[in-house]
Amino acid sequence: GAGVSQSPSNKVTEKGKDVELRCDPISGHTALYWYRQRLGQGLEFLIYFQGNSAPDKSGLPSDRFSAERTGESVSTLTIQRTQQEDSAVYLCASSLTPSSNQPQHFGDGTRLSIL
Amino acid sequence: GENVEQHPSTLSVQEGDSAVIKCTYSDSASNYFPWYKQELGKRPQLIIDIRSNVGEKKDQRIAVTLNKTAKHFSLHITETQPEDSAVYFCAADAGGTSYGKLTFGQGTILTVHP
Repeated sequence: GAGVSQSPSNKVTEKGKDVELRCDPISGHTALYWYRQRLGQGLEFLIYFQGNSAPDKSGLPSDRFSAERTGESVSTLTIQRTQQEDSAVYLCASSLTPSSNQPQHFGDGTRLSIL
Repeated sequence: GENVEQHPSTLSVQEGDSAVIKCTYSDSASNYFPWYKQELGKRPQLIIDIRSNVGEKKDQRIAVTLNKTAKHFSLHITETQPEDSAVYFCAADAGGTSYGKLTFGQGTILTVHP
């Protein structure tokens, strides 16, 4: 595609529910990153994929958070038993290869609100 | 792990003035430093980046300088325009890794008054 696409753009859900966020990276990009951006804050790294593998999950805040990637393309970030502190914008980025020599291109994000 | 500090948190300038945003980082092994611009409700967009083998890079009205010894880098915007108003984020890669993991600063809200 022309750019990184994320869906839904907005998600409002009740505390305790599970949510699934989707990211479609730029076609051909092998590296995919998830970040979280709380209101008025910088971006926090969550997890990184190289192909379908996740060599670095160090940023996932708790075991309620998980992510997968299939077909070296689409990735989903799942948050189970959501809490109010999970409210944030979740951003996905992709790069051609997993390297500092390749810039990361971001999607518009999913704005998650937990009531 | 890497820690990136960004200052100031807000910056207000008159149109035509210059704006400077500064960042420091902690990991001496970091070697890639991008700057992103984020307009309200929109995605972060890469505006310029610099690698550790150069000390300065310029692209029209935007320039970035890097001092590896002091572990700080700065964004300079000259002849600012109202459309430059946005939140600017600096970032540094995770030194010692090869996959481009970025640590971001807290952001600077730049307002350019006409």
